[in-house]
Amino acid sequence: DQQVKQNSPSLSVQEGRISILNCDYTNSMFDYFLWYKKYPAEGPTFLISISSIKDKNEDGRFTVFLNKSAKHLSLHIVPSQPGDSAVYFCAASGLNTGNQFYFGTGTSLTVIP
Amino acid sequence: KAGVTQTPRYLIKTRGQQVTLSCSPISGHRSVSWYQQTPGQGLQFLFEYFSETQRNKGNFPGRFSGRQFSNSRSEMNVSTLELGDSALYLCASSLDGTGYPIGGYTFGSGTRLTVV
Repeated sequence: DQQVKQNSPSLSVQEGRISILNCDYTNSMFDYFLWYKKYPAEGPTFLISISSIKDKNEDGRFTVFLNKSAKHLSLHIVPSQPGDSAVYFCAASGLNTGNQFYFGTGTSLTVIP
Repeated sequence: KAGVTQTPRYLIKTRGQQVTLSCSPISGHRSVSWYQQTPGQGLQFLFEYFSETQRNKGNFPGRFSGRQFSNSRSEMNVSTLELGDSALYLCASSLDGTGYPIGGYTFGSGTRLTVV
């Protein structure tokens, strides 16, 4: 039962343009969302988070938007850089998930120079 | 401070054998979670330990087990290995398992297990 879904396995974007990575979830009790970035042969590294009391969180070139009614969040990267090429995972947790984070399957982003 | 350390980095085992993976969390972190990553499956939650107790368990067969020691280091064991167990196994540590404070859920680099 995939409670967090990333329906686009891959995305290619030109350098300098915007990258938009999408994530959908099914559990309305999720209230904390994370984005992680993963390079090959390395563990995922934390990128940005958002709690359900907000609908937007910004950190430099990275912005996460949360649409609770649609159970959808997205990560915007502006401007995209070649070093952003990695696999991006979204993750969610909530009051009824104990201490378990549910991860999506990941989206592989390629930024073309 | 030192990050999350997983050993070994790579393992090759034969079907039917057993394997033990190790995870040393960030100093002061008491929660350790384990995940399996396979192509197309994302990160699948295995289990979470806090203060030497398993608090949460994912949907994996009993061949997958773990434990946590008093110093918060954790081990994961897989018995009777199958070809499908080939994957990257990641552990993540945090203060209390909630991922708070923001960004406080830190992953190790993983152990790449290949079953032949």
